Amino acid sequence: DAKTTQPNSMESNEEEPVHLPCNHSTISGTDYIHWYRQLPSQGPEYVIHGLTSNVNNRMASLAIAEDRKSSTLILHRATLRDAAVYYCILTSGTYKYIFGTGTRLKVLA
Amino acid sequence: DTGVSQDPRHKITKRGQNVTFRCDPISEHNRLYWYRQTLGQGPEFLTYFQNEAQLEKSRLLSDRFSAERPKGSFSTLEIQRTEQGDSAMYLCASRTPRGLRGNEQFFGPGTRLTVL
Repeated sequence: DAKTTQPNSMESNEEEPVHLPCNHSTISGTDYIHWYRQLPSQGPEYVIHGLTSNVNNRMASLAIAEDRKSSTLILHRATLRDAAVYYCILTSGTYKYIFGTGTRLKVLA
Repeated sequence: DTGVSQDPRHKITKRGQNVTFRCDPISEHNRLYWYRQTLGQGPEFLTYFQNEAQLEKSRLLSDRFSAERPKGSFSTLEIQRTEQGDSAMYLCASRTPRGLRGNEQFFGPGTRLTVL
């Protein structure tokens, strides 16, 4: 199963952009890159996903390296409600998710 | 609210007791997953159903654990003879075969189990 590597924690000031990196050097051609976030005492929630091209949605942007061995989740203006654990996940096959420990994002007021 | 519900939300039990959790997926989702999450860790895959068939089980799922999905709708996860190490959040997720957002899984709020 393909694995991802993320920093354990990051901090950001409110209203500033946040770039959350993820390394996935063993990614295969059919793997999607999914990002989820998990607020305290809740299940993970979908943020964004991509395959090869950069993606934008109302929550975030996803920048995927040309060789697909890394990606970056971009929150354009962090708010206090964005404080959560962010998981980068590769999915394929039966599409079971292999979670790492994620990045705990702290947003400072 | 993703549309996936789990019951109960919290369960406290004594070591050695049996417990059963229920997951109700989004109605048109034929694929259902169970995960377990301990404090400070990401969720770990336990098992996967396609309709009523259990297609994959993790090595984490010992003989004391059993999961069912009768009629391909709701699912139950039973733990027999609970141990303190079973204390965790148990998450359920569901998805369609060809979702609009890649392989997106919709997660329920989880059942937090505490074994005393």
